[in-house]
Amino acid sequence: KQEVTQIPAALSVPEGENLVLNCSFTDSAIYNLQWFRQDPGKGLTSLLLIQSSQREQTSGRLNASLDKSSGRSTLYIAASQPGDSATYLCAARDQTGANNLFFGTGTRLTVIP
Amino acid sequence: ETGVTQSPTHLIKTRGQQVTLRCSSQSGHNTVSWYQQALGQGPQFIFQYYREEENGRGNFPPRFSGLQFPNYSSELNVNALELDDSALYLCASSLAETSGFEQYFGPGTRLTVT
Repeated sequence: KQEVTQIPAALSVPEGENLVLNCSFTDSAIYNLQWFRQDPGKGLTSLLLIQSSQREQTSGRLNASLDKSSGRSTLYIAASQPGDSATYLCAARDQTGANNLFFGTGTRLTVIP
Repeated sequence: ETGVTQSPTHLIKTRGQQVTLRCSSQSGHNTVSWYQQALGQGPQFIFQYYREEENGRGNFPPRFSGLQFPNYSSELNVNALELDDSALYLCASSLAETSGFEQYFGPGTRLTVT
């Protein structure tokens, strides 16, 4: 069964700093990997989706990389802002059946003004 | 384009009761998945429906059941509620025919079982 781990569990940085969030998964046979943002008590907002054949995806100040062979993905956030404060979740999509998502427990990011 | 909506927003039930949660998919989407997110945890896959048929199920007991309607809206039913069922329930819709199976999530229903 796929297991997804995110490190660190929580991160606090001053505004303007660049930062990296880490995600690892145990089964490299994934369809794709998706990064989400979740504000307290709210639903999930999709940030980036990387297909299994891709190495990285970029959207604005966000860049996500994928290394399937080592079972790792990183989310890079440039020039962090207080509005980036949220929990970031990565999820690996199963290749078979329902293609459902296996989620990590998230990294809770706080950007200090 | 209308996003994914869920109702109710919050719900409080007593152990042993039954509950029905509702989800309206994003326009044009034919697949809906349900997830349970306990406090401090990542979402866990419950099941998925595609064109009104269950298309996959996670490690949840049969007292968790669902329906998908011809308009692709969906329900999650939970019987014999237990205290551990307290969680945020998320639904996500997608269009199976598109590459990536990218899912769009609703705001969730917060269920509290006392």
